Amino acid sequence: AQSVSQHNHHVILSEAASLELGCNYSYGGTVNLFWYVQYPGQHLQLLLKYFSGDPLVKGIKGFEAEFIKSKFSFNLRKPSVQWSDTAEYFCAVNARETGGFKTIFGAGTRLFVKA
Amino acid sequence: DGGITQSPKYLFRKEGQNVTLSCEQNLNHDAMYWYRQDPGQGLRLIYYSQIVNDFQKGDIAEGYSVSREKKESFPLTVTSAQKNPTAFYLCASSMMGTAPAYEQYFGPGTRLTVT
Repeated sequence: AQSVSQHNHHVILSEAASLELGCNYSYGGTVNLFWYVQYPGQHLQLLLKYFSGDPLVKGIKGFEAEFIKSKFSFNLRKPSVQWSDTAEYFCAVNARETGGFKTIFGAGTRLFVKA
Repeated sequence: DGGITQSPKYLFRKEGQNVTLSCEQNLNHDAMYWYRQDPGQGLRLIYYSQIVNDFQKGDIAEGYSVSREKKESFPLTVTSAQKNPTAFYLCASSMMGTAPAYEQYFGPGTRLTVT
């Protein structure tokens, strides 16, 4: 069965620090990859997605993620975080299983950015 | 203004009572989903539906039931058989089509507390 692993459950950074959140998955076939973000008091929303093509994808608010197929990874990065990036971040993997495609979410990483 | 609405935002019930959570979308999406979000466990799929009058069990369907009588609506009933019903419940929807996976759009969630 698929699984998605997010390595850090809690991350605390100061403003302007660089961010990298790890995401690894266990599935050998073709995958579609997502990062979602949940800001305090707001809906869960899409940050970026990868279906095919350039493995480096750019999302909203200066975030990017790199798909490394050989490492089964889709890490999220931002060169310089802001206080407003404080949120919970979820990695999700969509892949074909019996009966169709299924999406599995990671456990989430809570990011707190100190002003 | 298109989106997904869930009501109520907070719900309190006594143990042994069934409770129904509402989810409505006006995005004209074919697929709808119910997730349960618990701290440190990410989003776990309860049920999903890809077409009216049809739905499938997710990973943790025991103790829950759903219906999909209209495209716009996908209510979730938490029954008294659910052993640990206190949680944050999220409803989502997505398009269906030739692409293998579309992003999911999420509602604001309902926090259910059972005592």
